[in-house]
Amino acid sequence: SAVISQKPSRDICQRGTSLTIQCQVDSQVTMMFWYRQQPGQSLTLIATANQGSEATYESGFVIDKFPISRPNLTFSTLTVSNMSPEDSSIYLCSAVTSGGETQYFGPGTRLLVL
Amino acid sequence: SQQGEEDPQALSIQEGENATMNCSYKTSINNLQWYRQNSGRGLVHLILIRSNEREKHSGRLRVTLDTSKKSSSLLITASRAADTASYFCAGRETSGSRLTFGEGTQLTVNP
Repeated sequence: SAVISQKPSRDICQRGTSLTIQCQVDSQVTMMFWYRQQPGQSLTLIATANQGSEATYESGFVIDKFPISRPNLTFSTLTVSNMSPEDSSIYLCSAVTSGGETQYFGPGTRLLVL
Repeated sequence: SQQGEEDPQALSIQEGENATMNCSYKTSINNLQWYRQNSGRGLVHLILIRSNEREKHSGRLRVTLDTSKKSSSLLITASRAADTASYFCAGRETSGSRLTFGEGTQLTVNP
């Protein structure tokens, strides 16, 4: 199994600013992902965080808005840039452990943009 | 885009009753995973069923998978008030390895 932590757990931000969310996994993982969950809705995949290379973004998400880093096997960051109220969501980090199939999720970061 | 649909969208039952939630998906999958989420918090992994499996049990949970119909069901037996949560299915796509989610079912178990 894997335990995933995220920082911050929540934040309130002003329009036009940026926020970086950190994700740490307690064991080595093969794949790391970032999801968004808008209020009352299901999860939508933003991107796959690739170690040492550019992230792979899903349709509707772009690097300029959601830059992602993954400098090693257990750590990743997601930045939400130039925020607007529409970015108010829960952002969740997720990972699959080496040799495993189960995908684990962090506790999420609740973001409110005013 | 979402993997598929879940029904019902909301389910309200009495403690002790069984709860059945259904999930349909669109693409070919390697496995299907069920999660629980309490009130906007993180997702808790419940159970994984592989594409070559038809049924799996874990405690009070029973999951079935029908790949010909691209559907799955989650049965919670002898429900408890603590089972009140949102339940999501998610399929691991064979191409691309992404895990995409259904719309979710909000389960309320009344004491």
